[in-house]
Amino acid sequence: DAKTTQPPSMDCAEGRAANLPCNHSTISGNEYVYWYRQIHSQGPQYIIHGLKNNETNEMASLIITEDRKSSTLTLPHATLRDTAVYYCIVRVGAGGSYIPTFGRGTSLIVHP
Amino acid sequence: GAVVSQHPSRVICKSGTSVKIECRSLDFQATTMFWYRQFPKQSLMLMATSNEGSKATYEQGVEKDKFLINHASLTLSTLTVTSAHPEDSSFYICSAREGAGAGEKLFFGSGTQLSVL
Repeated sequence: DAKTTQPPSMDCAEGRAANLPCNHSTISGNEYVYWYRQIHSQGPQYIIHGLKNNETNEMASLIITEDRKSSTLTLPHATLRDTAVYYCIVRVGAGGSYIPTFGRGTSLIVHP
Repeated sequence: GAVVSQHPSRVICKSGTSVKIECRSLDFQATTMFWYRQFPKQSLMLMATSNEGSKATYEQGVEKDKFLINHASLTLSTLTVTSAHPEDSSFYICSAREGAGAGEKLFFGSGTQLSVL
């Protein structure tokens, strides 16, 4: 699976949009981009995933560039409860032998 | 979303004893589950892949005789830390794969904080 690069930390004001970037320049055509987050002392939580189209759900939006080499996760109206470490990972879409590994992620701090 | 229950959430044990951690998928069947450990301020480190009905696959450097994994049913995987020592103190997290192909997602337990005295 392709490697990902994320900034180690970001901060955002409460109520504003939080835009978290991820670089995956070696991504293959059949690899999906996934985002998870981990709030302190809890297990990670699935947020969203996509292949090449932009995706939106009740938690966030995912924008994948046309060349698929990078993506941005957007939390439209960040709250204090969104303070967490956000992980961007890519995986082959066929499942089966996929081994989910996590990098260091981005530590997002939402401040009042 | 799907729910993965992990128990216990916290355990304190004496050095030399064994500790069992359970991971259950409550509303879906999980052929594959994963076990991670996490040290403070570090990322999740994959320990092993647990496959229902077969032996677990361990990552390089993880002692399979020390970290026993059993995945006897489609909803339950257990991790037993045998003869625990203080260096085994860590946050252990399980996850289960739900769905397949384009719809596949990982759901995680809430983690187990193990402290070995």
